[in-house]
Amino acid sequence: GAVVSQHPSWVICKSGTSVKIECRSLDFQATTMFWYRQFPKQSLMLMATSNEGSKATYEQGVEKDKFLINHASLTLSTLTVTSAHPEDSSFYICSAPLGGLYQPQHFGDGTRLSIL
Amino acid sequence: KQEVTQIPAALSVPEGENLVLNCSFTDSAIYNLQWFRQDPGKGLTSLLLIQSSQREQTSGRLNASLDKSSGRSTLYIAASQPGDSATYLCAVRTGNQFYFGTGTSLTVIP
Repeated sequence: GAVVSQHPSWVICKSGTSVKIECRSLDFQATTMFWYRQFPKQSLMLMATSNEGSKATYEQGVEKDKFLINHASLTLSTLTVTSAHPEDSSFYICSAPLGGLYQPQHFGDGTRLSIL
Repeated sequence: KQEVTQIPAALSVPEGENLVLNCSFTDSAIYNLQWFRQDPGKGLTSLLLIQSSQREQTSGRLNASLDKSSGRSTLYIAASQPGDSATYLCAVRTGNQFYFGTGTSLTVIP
């Protein structure tokens, strides 16, 4: 079946470091991918919609310069957390729809980011 | 803006019981509703997808219903097992966006 791969699964780094997270659709093409953030014991919050070949669409309150999104190909979207600080520590998950609006979303396994 | 709520927030049941998880949403103009399972520290596993034109979907011991007009969905789990312990999330698709519920944390006691 369709699989979305997310890498890395866990990263720990020092404050001020920039961290890149990759989201790949392994056996299908995705012109759109979604990035979510999840705080402990809370639900997923949509951060941005990644669009292949064009700029990402960010949700209200999400800093574009802090969370850089690049969707360079039909199978890869990247989220870069720039100059990360402890408050950026969270669980980040990407998803991609298989096909059109009526198709299910497929999710990556998530990336746990811990900023020291 | 679409708001999705799940009740209860947490549920603990003995093994073998049947149980119902509830999901409600404020905007009935949805394309579909999807139920997910999330294990601690893990990503999401899709359980069932119900299109807006459908009333229910079944997979094994799981049955999900959808009443779009009233903005409600239920996930029925039959003969619960300890392995069912996880957080269950519902999500509705409105346009090109997904809105997640707050989740129900389920514990099935052996």
